[in-house]
Amino acid sequence: GAVVSQHPSWVICKSGTSVKIECRSLDFQATTMFWYRQFPKQSLMLMATSNEGSKATYEQGVEKDKFLINHASLTLSTLTVTSAHPEDSSFYICSAGGRGAYEQYFGPGTRLTVT
Amino acid sequence: GESVGLHLPTLSVQEGDNSIINCAYSNSASDYFIWYKQESGKGPQFIIDIRSNMDKRQGQRVTVLLNKTVKHLSLQIAATQPGDSAVYFCAEIQRKGNAGNNRKLIWGLGTSLAVNP
Repeated sequence: GAVVSQHPSWVICKSGTSVKIECRSLDFQATTMFWYRQFPKQSLMLMATSNEGSKATYEQGVEKDKFLINHASLTLSTLTVTSAHPEDSSFYICSAGGRGAYEQYFGPGTRLTVT
Repeated sequence: GESVGLHLPTLSVQEGDNSIINCAYSNSASDYFIWYKQESGKGPQFIIDIRSNMDKRQGQRVTVLLNKTVKHLSLQIAATQPGDSAVYFCAEIQRKGNAGNNRKLIWGLGTSLAVNP
């Protein structure tokens, strides 16, 4: 149980275009989902926390107009990188919160490359 | 072998040896700690957790030790295998002013474990 999927697993896009990444909890309902970004050989950096049916809470320094997060249902959250630039190239990981306060289940990640 | 975390060092061990990965955490108010394993190109995988009211917890081939006095956490892997090669992260959860579910994880910088056959 507690499987989280992400789609796509990798994507290459041109500079200036937008890319949408989906995060799904496959066998449980997740009130809260988290979005992380990870650069090579670095730790995970939390970008935002999204709660189903409400606006996401962004971490300091993360542009909410650039990284649009939608959490329309208890099993799906999406991250849209708008007007992507090469510096947005990164590994994006989502996690879904379980019932307990400490439970988080991670997706497999999405590799974004902006050319 | 041993390593000190928070600046992504590399720990290299021989297959069959025991590995010790260390992590220093920052907040004495943290009440829950987790070790994750991340293989290249994949998301983090839960390994083991420990609450702040415990000093030690054992799993299958892994043991986590918590020293609250010096704010230090360690992960011990017994009989390390090539499949254990990965980056290992410690994470802490801090009590927040407002109660609620799914509190934020604060991540350490990670330690890369390389197992030589």
